[in-house]
Amino acid sequence: EAGVAQSPRYKIIEKRQSVAFWCNPISGHATLYWYQQILGQGPKLLIQFQNNGVVDDSQLPKDRFSAERLKGVDSTLKIQPAKLEDSAVYLCASSFSGEETQYFGPGTRLLVL
Amino acid sequence: AQSVTQLGSHVSVSEGALVLLRCNYSSSVPPYLFWYVQYPNQGLQLLLKYTTGATLVKGINGFEAEFKKSETSFHLTKPSAHMSDAAEYFCAVTYMGPGNKLTFGGGTRVLVKP
Repeated sequence: EAGVAQSPRYKIIEKRQSVAFWCNPISGHATLYWYQQILGQGPKLLIQFQNNGVVDDSQLPKDRFSAERLKGVDSTLKIQPAKLEDSAVYLCASSFSGEETQYFGPGTRLLVL
Repeated sequence: AQSVTQLGSHVSVSEGALVLLRCNYSSSVPPYLFWYVQYPNQGLQLLLKYTTGATLVKGINGFEAEFKKSETSFHLTKPSAHMSDAAEYFCAVTYMGPGNKLTFGGGTRVLVKP
């Protein structure tokens, strides 16, 4: 069974530029999560989708971050404009609806210069 | 609100020695508890989880953890460390119900000495 796919794996941009990350969850998983993991810290939930609807985006900095899951399958997370403090690993995870176990992708490592 | 505290951001153990990673949680409802492992430049891999039932849970790679409600703890152990156990370990908590948000601790990095 294929796992959660993410791309790109690495991205280097300058501050004020924009960047987008892509995630394809495990087939059949209705719930999709985006996490931000700053170096030396645990992952922090940014946004949670149930199919194509948002369940929780309370920790998403909406002035610069946006995310969508238009067809209820893959998802895109965008940052515009990026700040230095956005340098982190962005992890995507998915789970079956109502299932407590989340499965994580390899992450996208972002460096903002 | 729920939270997780992992005591010790770094742990160093000798190969063959006991590995003990401490995790304490705070939750207003019965928790579901997880341990994940993260190898360099990789995502998180589930080691084990506690939802209900037996409080001693066994996971992959010889790890186990015990849920102690009275101590609000879920410590992770492995009797004999192997070089391949060098990684970062995260404890996390959620609960049964809609929108089950996973809250992570700060992580413990394990170094295994030969």
